[in-house]
Amino acid sequence: SQQGEEDPQALSIQEGENATMNCSYKTSINNLQWYRQNSGRGLVHLILIRSNEREKHSGRLRVTLDTSKKSSSLLITASRAADTASYFCATDAWRIGGATNKLIFGTGTLLAVQP
Amino acid sequence: AAGVIQSPRHLIKEKRETATLKCYPIPRHDTVYWYQQGPGQDPQFLISFYEKMQSDKGSIPDRFSAQQFSDYHSELNMSSLELGDSALYFCASSLGGGQGSLGYTFGSGTRLTVV
Repeated sequence: SQQGEEDPQALSIQEGENATMNCSYKTSINNLQWYRQNSGRGLVHLILIRSNEREKHSGRLRVTLDTSKKSSSLLITASRAADTASYFCATDAWRIGGATNKLIFGTGTLLAVQP
Repeated sequence: AAGVIQSPRHLIKEKRETATLKCYPIPRHDTVYWYQQGPGQDPQFLISFYEKMQSDKGSIPDRFSAQQFSDYHSELNMSSLELGDSALYFCASSLGGGQGSLGYTFGSGTRLTVV
């Protein structure tokens, strides 16, 4: 990965359980985003957390960010079979004088929710 | 709402052939990013354009080139295709170089298969 690692690489849970995925990154960031990808399909933006935020909620999603440890976690509560997908974190590094802020992706966690 | 449009959705080419992938950003977005995602891999940043100028370059092979046109659409040209170029190619767009913005939107991708 260009930026960091996610763990676990694969996670299998039962419907109704909570799923927690972790992401670590290497550089200073402007913000961190989580994306979802169904097999072979496009990337869907889930949630963004800025570097000065510690926690953010969106529906059944809860994201935390610890900039001192350069890590983030994504919690999906009350999981559903439809949540089965790969989940990627991506960091948007601020570049002073830079024209664009590209996203750098982590390696992804494959989540399987068993009905 | 209009999204990022990529064409074609699927493309099959033979080794040593050339391929052109197109990306039409969200209206008023002035920045385009290209990513390559191999099977089971995380998306890797290739190249980006801001206001029709190349703004950042990642792990893009010399056999590939890209440009952004006056209407802000972008094309990724790939020559002397190799089997290892088989991947999902994503385009994303944003406004203002993506600096501190929420506005990264990904297209559904072009799946390139080299045989």
